[in-house]
Amino acid sequence: EAQVTQNPRYLITVTGKKLTVTCSQNMNHEYMSWYRQDPGLGLRQIYYSMNVEVTDKGDVPEGYKVSRKEKRNFPLILESPSPNQTSLYFCASSLAGFSYEQYFGPGTRLTVT
Amino acid sequence: AQKVTQAQTEISVVEKEDVTLDCVYETRDTTYYLFWYKQPPSGELVFLIRRNSFDEQNEISGRYSWNFQKSTSSFNFTITASQVVDSAVYFCALRGTGANNLFFGTGTRLTVIP
Repeated sequence: EAQVTQNPRYLITVTGKKLTVTCSQNMNHEYMSWYRQDPGLGLRQIYYSMNVEVTDKGDVPEGYKVSRKEKRNFPLILESPSPNQTSLYFCASSLAGFSYEQYFGPGTRLTVT
Repeated sequence: AQKVTQAQTEISVVEKEDVTLDCVYETRDTTYYLFWYKQPPSGELVFLIRRNSFDEQNEISGRYSWNFQKSTSSFNFTITASQVVDSAVYFCALRGTGANNLFFGTGTRLTVIP
């Protein structure tokens, strides 16, 4: 089954404790992206990757890191989480090119206390 | 600059009523794509439709229909004979030439009352 998976689905952590949210897709997509969803703000892009070893900042990259060492994986790293990073996070993938729809993972709900 | 506006924050309808969700967009690109996604209470994002800027034909898929009008920069979504399972948050999104992300509206929460 074609899908984007994220782990963990739910995470409660404390300020400053490094964490990683994994994302993996099995569709051989070149493009991958991370979004955060906050009430009243819709989804905003954090980082994206056009292919292996190619990553770039989205609209709200502060406090996040990413890497793309393999085509299928695109982990999101929070080196020192803060309460304002409490949010619902989505990973997405698509074929290269702006015309293609993005497929989204199930979401990771993160709470930072 | 690219922007998507969904002015309706929340809509409630009684089952079997028709409902239209509005989407207005801004872009300087001549080539762009518009999308609608559904987010049911379970939280996942489900792709519904993609429309390119050169195709203004309306599209119908079962009870769903989409009305794209470049003259008013709108891409509205109508659900006919709504059902409780249609209750969700619906997002309109835009991606222009060379853009590296989808620009999402803030979403419209639709509640269908049985």
